This record gives sequence, structure tokens and C-alpha cells, in this order.
Amino acid sequence: EAGVAQSPRYKIIEKRQSVAFWCNPISGHATLYWYQQILGQGPKLLIQFQNNGVVDDSQLPKDRFSAERLKGVDSTLKIQPAKLEDSAVYLCASSYLQGGEQYFGPGTRLTVT
Amino acid sequence: SQQGEEDPQALSIQEGENATMNCSYKTSINNLQWYRQNSGRGLVHLILIRSNEREKHSGRLRVTLDTSKKSSSLLITASRAADTASYFCAPAGGTDKLIFGTGTRLQVFP
Repeated sequence: EAGVAQSPRYKIIEKRQSVAFWCNPISGHATLYWYQQILGQGPKLLIQFQNNGVVDDSQLPKDRFSAERLKGVDSTLKIQPAKLEDSAVYLCASSYLQGGEQYFGPGTRLTVT
Repeated sequence: SQQGEEDPQALSIQEGENATMNCSYKTSINNLQWYRQNSGRGLVHLILIRSNEREKHSGRLRVTLDTSKKSSSLLITASRAADTASYFCAPAGGTDKLIFGTGTRLQVFP
């Protein structure tokens, strides 16, 4: 079974630039999550999708972050414009059932200079 | 908050010893999950224990849950160097959203 795929694996941008991350979940998993993990901390949920609908985006900084999952499969997370404090690893995860075990991708390490 | 808080923050042991990590939370939960994160394999789900379960085993892992004390523990028996990682507990409450703590950093020396 293929795991959760993410790209790119690394990205370096300057502040005020924009960046996009892509995630392809495990086939058949209806629930998709985006997390932000700052060095030394645990992952923080940014947004949760159930199929192509948003379940929770309470911690998504909506003035600069956006995410979509148009066909209920893969998803993109965008930051525009980026700030220095956005430097982190962005993790995508999927689960078969909402509230069930989550499978994580390798993450995208973003550095904002 | 629903966030799990792991204790201790760091733990160093020798191979072959047992490692015990604890987790506390503050609200009612549907289940509680434990994850491991290391540089090689990323973040990996270890075990899920439901609110009506008290103990669960998976290989060398043993998880207990005490909902009256709002606490859980993860025991790794006969530790190996490959168990070196950060371990996170993540309580799942009414919305099933997982809120991770800062984790326990386990170092297993050969």
C-alpha cells in the first residue's frame, strides 16, 4: 500500500513570497489533515478535510494560509505572503475514519529567510 | 485543554531496559493515540486506545488508559537503539481532532 505522498520535500523562500505544498493521501482515505510542526514542538493541526469539505480550520491563519481539496483526493496548502515564523515542517496525514489512526507523509521543510 | 502533556520531556536508558512515558489531558476523550517520530521514518502511529479500554498491547508496547485520572502511559519493554525517537500522545475528543503535546524524547544507548 502506497503511503501519503508530499512534495516538495524542501523549500526555501524569502519572506513575502508565496509557496504551495501538495499532498496525495492513501487511496480510500476520506479524511485529510494538514499540520504545522515547528522545531521542538508537536504537530499543530491547521485544517482537516472530510472528502472535499472542511471539518476544522480553526487554527489556520486565514489571512495568509489557504487549502483546498477540490476532488476529495489530493490537496494543496498555500501560504501567501510568507513570514519568517512560517518556517516549519508541514505534514500531511490521512485516515480512513475520522478520529482513527492517521498516516503521515514525510513532510515539507519550509525555510523562510 | 484537550492537548496531551507528556512526561518526562526527555528520557535516556540503556538497551534492554524498559521505558515508561506518561501522558495527561484535561477533557473527555473518545480515544487516545500514541505516535513516534524519528528522522528516518517520520511520524508513525503506534497504538490507539479507546475510552472504554484500560490496556492495550502491540508487540513490545503496552498502553494503559485511566479516564478517571485523565492519564495514559506507554511502556516500551526491552528497548533497542532503534526505539530512539520522540513519542507523542494525542487525545481525540468530541470533534476527533488530535492535539499533540511537545513529546518525550527517548534516547536508547547501545
